Amino acid sequence: GQNIDQPTEMTATEGAIVQINCTYQTSGFNGLFWYQQHAGEAPTFLSYNVLDGLEEKGRFSSFLSRSKGYSYLLLKELQMKDSASYLCAVTSGGYNKLIFGAGTRLAVHP
Amino acid sequence: DADVTQTPRNRITKTGKRIMLECSQTKGHDRMYWYRQDPGLGLRLIYYSFDVKDINKGEISDGYSVSRQAQAKFSLSLESAIPNQTALYFCATSDGTANQPQHFGDGTRLSIL
Repeated sequence: GQNIDQPTEMTATEGAIVQINCTYQTSGFNGLFWYQQHAGEAPTFLSYNVLDGLEEKGRFSSFLSRSKGYSYLLLKELQMKDSASYLCAVTSGGYNKLIFGAGTRLAVHP
Repeated sequence: DADVTQTPRNRITKTGKRIMLECSQTKGHDRMYWYRQDPGLGLRLIYYSFDVKDINKGEISDGYSVSRQAQAKFSLSLESAIPNQTALYFCATSDGTANQPQHFGDGTRLSIL
């Protein structure tokens, strides 16, 4: 079967760093996406990892270990606007089908 | 203008009614998808289409049907709506290149009484 696990909720302080973990079990793994979703809005693309290692994009970085079935999203210099859900999704097989985790709701407080 | 447009944005209807949700895109993408999102369950794939002549069931297709009228249009129908189909529905598109991100519409909030 296919399974993606991520924490349900996290809280952090403005200006701090937070790491959101994602573990997955899937057949035919192709790559892993992170999306950000503000409440009631569309998910928006943050990052994509296909090879092991760290991908950095401004304040956001994403890491992948294919052998461990593990990824994390690192958010630095947190801002209030970073309060949102963060969705981990893996692609497997053809058609660019995405399998989503349930999402991690991050609350950033002053 | 949005690249992926969903109509309506909100809909309240009664059990047993037929409902159509529409999605259109200006991104020129071949691939289109329909998802539903429920609290605590994340996004689940209902149907997806590789091109106009290609329709595939996702993990939760029962009770739904789709039509790909053109490259730019992909509609989702609930033939006889039931209350547990109350959810937030998203349409998404992607191009044919391997592992390109999907781009989502703003969603349709559907309530079935």
